[in-house]
Amino acid sequence: DGGITQSPKYLFRKEGQNVTLSCEQNLNHDAMYWYRQDPGQGLRLIYYSQIVNDFQKGDIAEGYSVSREKKESFPLTVTSAQKNPTAFYLCATNSGTVTDTQYFGPGTRLTVL
Amino acid sequence: QKEVEQDPGPLSVPEGAIVSLNCTYSNSAFQYFMWYRQYSRKGPELLMYTYSSGNKEDGRFTAQVDKSSKYISLFIRDSQPSDSATYLCAMSGTDSWGKLQFGAGTQVVVTP
Repeated sequence: DGGITQSPKYLFRKEGQNVTLSCEQNLNHDAMYWYRQDPGQGLRLIYYSQIVNDFQKGDIAEGYSVSREKKESFPLTVTSAQKNPTAFYLCATNSGTVTDTQYFGPGTRLTVL
Repeated sequence: QKEVEQDPGPLSVPEGAIVSLNCTYSNSAFQYFMWYRQYSRKGPELLMYTYSSGNKEDGRFTAQVDKSSKYISLFIRDSQPSDSATYLCAMSGTDSWGKLQFGAGTQVVVTP
């Protein structure tokens, strides 16, 4: 069954804690992306990676970190430096060609208590 | 000013009506245009993908791109309650390497 999986679906965190969101894909796609979605603001790009062991900051990277050690995996860490982390986080992939679009995972809802 | 503007709605229509959605953009380099549908607390799913200007039809859905006006539209014919969702427009250019710019999304409610 091909696709993108994100875990967990819901995550609760206390203030001051780091937390890592998982994104795994078996589509053999080169590029992976992390977005944050807040009500009424659409999707904002946090980080993206075009190949293994390489990634770039998106529009709102402050307070977040990523790694890309394997093609299939692109975990996102929300650090305590992120001032307003409560949001819906979406992972996406594409094949890496400019004509391809992005395909999204089911998302993780993070709530900071 | 945002690169992509989209009215957030909500847009309420009776079942069977035509739903008309649109986005405007400012970057003339955009060449690829997409519409995604997102149900509450779910990931967006791709509905339509159009390259450059023109129309594209897929079942009850029609996407239009007018690059001269920097304006894209999505029409949903014979709307159903199951079409109730948020619709996101997205676009990219040939130099953006797959990075998309999204509109804020329009919430659509189809009432039986």
